[in-house]
Amino acid sequence: KAGVTQTPRYLIKTRGQQVTLSCSPISGHRSVSWYQQTPGQGLQFLFEYFSETQRNKGNFPGRFSGRQFSNSRSEMNVSTLELGDSALYLCASSSPFRTAEDEQFFGPGTRLTVL
Amino acid sequence: KQEVTQIPAALSVPEGENLVLNCSFTDSAIYNLQWFRQDPGKGLTSLLLIQSSQREQTSGRLNASLDKSSGRSTLYIAASQPGDSATYLCAVFSGGYNKLIFGAGTRLAVHP
Repeated sequence: KAGVTQTPRYLIKTRGQQVTLSCSPISGHRSVSWYQQTPGQGLQFLFEYFSETQRNKGNFPGRFSGRQFSNSRSEMNVSTLELGDSALYLCASSSPFRTAEDEQFFGPGTRLTVL
Repeated sequence: KQEVTQIPAALSVPEGENLVLNCSFTDSAIYNLQWFRQDPGKGLTSLLLIQSSQREQTSGRLNASLDKSSGRSTLYIAASQPGDSATYLCAVFSGGYNKLIFGAGTRLAVHP
């Protein structure tokens, strides 16, 4: 069974630009969560989607947004990039059931560098 | 507000030692606790998931215990090997649709 995949793996952008990251969950998983990892703040929850609906959102500005498609693939978008947005962005998928207590499986991440 | 703390922040040991990594959380009302491994620049690999009703889980040389009442979990690594070198993260789920709260991690180095 293929794991969680994320594309692209690396991105370099400049301040003010926008970026879109993609995540494909494990086959059959319908929940996708996004996290930001930085040396200073560690791993922080961005948002979670299930069946194309955002069910939960972390404490990030509105420049961070996401969506989920009918095939459970998810994208996150960051507009008007700032230097502080440089981070490893991780996506996780979990259970096909409508519960929130299941093991989460992470992708390899997208390394975003903002210059 | 749930907070997760991991001690120690870093650990360097010779090969073959048995290790204990500690994780504590402030709110005992959790659904589960998950231990992850992260190699430099890589994603997270799930090691063990402990449901709130369980006291421990084992996988190979790894054993994780959970004491909800005291807000603690430990990850025990037996007979450590250089390949175990990585950062180990614990995360708790205490509600809110798959929102994991992570500790800062323990950076482990096992030298031959």
